[in-house]
Amino acid sequence: RKEVEQDPGPFNVPEGATVAFNCTYSNSASQSFFWYRQDCRKEPKLLMSVYSSGNEDGRFTAQLNRASQYISLLIRDSKLSDSATYLCVVNPEGGGFKTIFGAGTRLFVKA
Amino acid sequence: EPEVTQTPSHQVTQMGQEVILRCVPISNHLYFYWYRQILGQKVEFLVSFYNNEISEKSEIFDDQFSVERPDGSNFTLKIRSTKLEDSAMYFCASSDRSQPLKAQYFGPGTRLLVL
Repeated sequence: RKEVEQDPGPFNVPEGATVAFNCTYSNSASQSFFWYRQDCRKEPKLLMSVYSSGNEDGRFTAQLNRASQYISLLIRDSKLSDSATYLCVVNPEGGGFKTIFGAGTRLFVKA
Repeated sequence: EPEVTQTPSHQVTQMGQEVILRCVPISNHLYFYWYRQILGQKVEFLVSFYNNEISEKSEIFDDQFSVERPDGSNFTLKIRSTKLEDSAMYFCASSDRSQPLKAQYFGPGTRLLVL
């Protein structure tokens, strides 16, 4: 099983749609979880941290299910500017600095 | 808004040559990282650095690689003898003193091409 696994997509959605991305991780001791977005040939940019209780930032909602080792990102009311690759990121070991990136899910939002 | 900067943006080198990639982390950050991303592949952790020493490194970070913080602002990655397979985008990142396991902020990257 890969350390961090994501559906590669691509997801093609119309503007205004709701889209959900899923991510699973293999190390049950993982402590920190994030969603980043990466535009083509650019650096990853933090979208949001993922907290145990779930958290929301505007149109974005992140959920964590430790029992299932599963993280999700929900984007509501998709905008053209949301088109990017969404990266699930995990710190797999307690107290460690190594960070594992998923391969990303590509999203295309069309007018 | 403070940001991580990297130089050069692009570097072309011959196989076997040494390259030094430079990064200026966000000024109040104390945890520094290097990642690489081969074209079309995922971002891969290389090394983390704290308190003037390597805190963790991946299997990729072999003896050909080294990192240094030569002064109070720069953080460098040296590849001693480049190979074709070192061609990739190299990202520097930093995170702040109170949150080593929290979000990392990435620089724009250096695209390295080894011929």
